[in-house]
Amino acid sequence: GENVEQHPSTLSVQEGDSAVIKCTYSDSASNYFPWYKQELGKGPQLIIDIRSNVGEKKDQRIAVTLNKTAKHFSLHITETQPEDSAVYFCAARRNTGNQFYFGTGTSLTVIP
Amino acid sequence: DAGVIQSPRHEVTEMGQEVTLRCKPISGHDYLFWYRQTMMRGLELLIYFNNNVPIDDSGMPEDRFSAKMPNASFSTLKIQPSEPRDSAVYFCASSRDAGQPQHFGDGTRLSIL
Repeated sequence: GENVEQHPSTLSVQEGDSAVIKCTYSDSASNYFPWYKQELGKGPQLIIDIRSNVGEKKDQRIAVTLNKTAKHFSLHITETQPEDSAVYFCAARRNTGNQFYFGTGTSLTVIP
Repeated sequence: DAGVIQSPRHEVTEMGQEVTLRCKPISGHDYLFWYRQTMMRGLELLIYFNNNVPIDDSGMPEDRFSAKMPNASFSTLKIQPSEPRDSAVYFCASSRDAGQPQHFGDGTRLSIL
């Protein structure tokens, strides 16, 4: 099956700085990679996703890059704000089947 | 648009008792997923349904766990009998079809004493 690894497990940045979270996956058949943000007491919420036919996608301060050859993808948050503080999860899904394989999460703290 | 609705939000019960968690998926979503989240193991898929039919229950930890989806707007996850190691946050998620993102509810925090 698929194995998704996520790093770092914790990340602290100063407000206004950038944050980068990286994930690797093992199954070359994976073709869909969403990122979720989970705030305290809430369920994970989708913030951005990328499919394997593109290398980069951007939505305001958030961007995701994908390197299919190396089997890794990254989340980039620019101009971080205190409300960006949360746990972020990456996930991968194969082109067949519906199961998402989640990373272990990154706890991001943005220091005002 | 209402999101995925789970109830109860919190459940505290003694070991040995039956626990029933409930989920209402987003209307029009054909897929429903049950996850368990713990510090040690992260997010684990327990079971998922397509059009009310269980497709993959390989993540269900033991026979003490069972899930049903009697109709398109309701699903239950039952633990009987419950044990302290079942303590976790249980999430329900739904998606419109296989190629679409999953939308999560806010979870049920379960504590078994």
